[in-house]
Amino acid sequence: KAGVTQTPRYLIKTRGQQVTLSCSPISGHRSVSWYQQTPGQGLQFLFEYFSETQRNKGNFPGRFSGRQFSNSRSEMNVSTLELGDSALYLCASSLQGNEQYFGPGTRLTVT
Amino acid sequence: GESVGLHLPTLSVQEGDNSIINCAYSNSASDYFIWYKQESGKGPQFIIDIRSNMDKRQGQRVTVLLNKTVKHLSLQIAATQPGDSAVYFCAETPVNQGAQKLVFGQGTRLTINP
Repeated sequence: KAGVTQTPRYLIKTRGQQVTLSCSPISGHRSVSWYQQTPGQGLQFLFEYFSETQRNKGNFPGRFSGRQFSNSRSEMNVSTLELGDSALYLCASSLQGNEQYFGPGTRLTVT
Repeated sequence: GESVGLHLPTLSVQEGDNSIINCAYSNSASDYFIWYKQESGKGPQFIIDIRSNMDKRQGQRVTVLLNKTVKHLSLQIAATQPGDSAVYFCAETPVNQGAQKLVFGQGTRLTINP
């Protein structure tokens, strides 16, 4: 069974731009969560989607948003990028319990 | 509030020795705990989990211990191998929250010396 895939793997954007990251969960998994990983703050929860509905949200500004499609694929969007948004963005999927499987992440660099 | 912290940011052990990585948590509502391993350039990889109704769980070469009285979690790795070198994170979540929100610790970098 294929694992969680994320695209793109690397991305360079300029301040003020917006970016969309994509995540394809493990087949059959309906829950997709997003995390931001930085050296200073570690791994921080962004939001979680289940059956196209956002079930939980972390403490991030409204510039961070996401959505989930009927096939469980998910996207997250960051608008008006700031230098501090440079991070590894990780997506994780789970069947319905808490065991989450992570993708390799998208490394976003904002210049 | 919710916070999960690790006692030691780095740990070095000799190949073949056992290692213990510790973690403290503060959310008394947490009842599900997970250890993840993250190698360079990869996403976190699930190692082992434990629910609050248990105090010990064993896997292959790994054991997780949970002490709810002092809100402490530990990961023991037996007979360490070079491939065990990675950053290890503990994470917790209240199961009854009904959502997949993991709160991660800062991580411990484990280095296995040959």
